[in-house]
Amino acid sequence: EAGVAQSPRYKIIEKRQSVAFWCNPISGHATLYWYQQILGQGPKLLIQFQNNGVVDDSQLPKDRFSAERLKGVDSTLKIQPAKLEDSAVYLCASSHLAGTDNTEAFFGQGTRLTVV
Amino acid sequence: GQSLEQPSEVTAVEGAIVQINCTYQTSGFYGLSWYQQHDGGAPTFLSYNGLDGLEETGRFSSFLSRSDSYGYLLLQELQMKDSASYFCAVSTNAGKSTFGDGTTLTVKP
Repeated sequence: EAGVAQSPRYKIIEKRQSVAFWCNPISGHATLYWYQQILGQGPKLLIQFQNNGVVDDSQLPKDRFSAERLKGVDSTLKIQPAKLEDSAVYLCASSHLAGTDNTEAFFGQGTRLTVV
Repeated sequence: GQSLEQPSEVTAVEGAIVQINCTYQTSGFYGLSWYQQHDGGAPTFLSYNGLDGLEETGRFSSFLSRSDSYGYLLLQELQMKDSASYFCAVSTNAGKSTFGDGTTLTVKP
């Protein structure tokens, strides 16, 4: 089966600019996650969707970050305006229905964002 | 809230056995997963424990004790390619997931 697709792979922007990331999960996966991974740290969950509803966005900085999952399939994550501390790898992952034993998450290759 | 603790670094030699521990505090605990991430790569799933006990997958095994809020990943017959970061991740019965900060394993010849 095709894996989780993310684009772009790399992005360099200036602070205060906006940026958007795109994710296409594995077909049939109900749950989609966006993680932020700063160098040397574990992935931090930004937002979790189940179909097109939000399960958890408690760690999403809502003053500058937004995300949507169109029709319960593709998803976009936007940052506006970007800050220097947003430099990180943004990982998208998908899995079958969360809250069951079949919770293996499949990750995309991520988008490495550098804010200068 | 949820919190996980795992050692930041572990070093071992080729052919050895290494254990990476993970302790957690979470409400509504459902299960514990382990992921491997090589430098520059995406995390990949290794194993999952929903019940107490040991799960074995080839050279890798994972253990869970729900009463102790503790689990570990056991890597046997270490190979150079096992050098990577290893993350434990808890999932809750509300379907939420949290990763630890990872353990960097260095395998030396």
